[in-house]
Amino acid sequence: GENVEQHPSTLSVQEGDSAVIKCTYSDSASNYFPWYKQELGKGPQLIIDIRSNVGEKKDQRIAVTLNKTAKHFSLHITETQPEDSAVYFCAASPGFGNEKLTFGTGTRLTIIP
Amino acid sequence: GAVVSQHPSWVICKSGTSVKIECRSLDFQATTMFWYRQFPKQSLMLMATSNEGSKATYEQGVEKDKFLINHASLTLSTLTVTSAHPEDSSFYICSAKTGSRYSYEQYFGPGTRLTVT
Repeated sequence: GENVEQHPSTLSVQEGDSAVIKCTYSDSASNYFPWYKQELGKGPQLIIDIRSNVGEKKDQRIAVTLNKTAKHFSLHITETQPEDSAVYFCAASPGFGNEKLTFGTGTRLTIIP
Repeated sequence: GAVVSQHPSWVICKSGTSVKIECRSLDFQATTMFWYRQFPKQSLMLMATSNEGSKATYEQGVEKDKFLINHASLTLSTLTVTSAHPEDSSFYICSAKTGSRYSYEQYFGPGTRLTVT
């Protein structure tokens, strides 16, 4: 089955700086790679996703890059703000026909004011 | 759009009793719903996948007789934890997706914290 590794487990960044979280996956059949933000005591919130036919996707301060050959994808947050502090999870799934998500272990991001 | 609710948000029950958790898609029809369990400071672990009108598919190691899942309509799925024990205490989260073959997004509910005493 799929295995998703996520690094780092914790990340502290000065407000205004950029944060990068990286994930690797094992199953070459995976085609869908979402990123979720989870605040304490809440469910995960989809913040951005990418499919395997795209190398990069950007939404304002958030971007995701995918290297399908190397089987890794990354989340980039620029101009970080205190409200970006949360736990971030990457995930992978084959997509249509098999939509089960395999999650990474999570990254606790702390933005230092 | 794409709002998923869960009820209750938290529940405390005594060991040996059963508890039901509801998951509703409020503004879309969810042909597929997923149930996850999350222990403190850990990742989400998929428990089962349910399709409307069909029996749920459980992940390896998840007891289907203990965690009863019903997906009776396109907007409602329920998870019943039967004969709950303290080790079942956890954060239970559901997610839902549409049946569109072009849409892979899963939308998560706010979670239900179960404490078994």
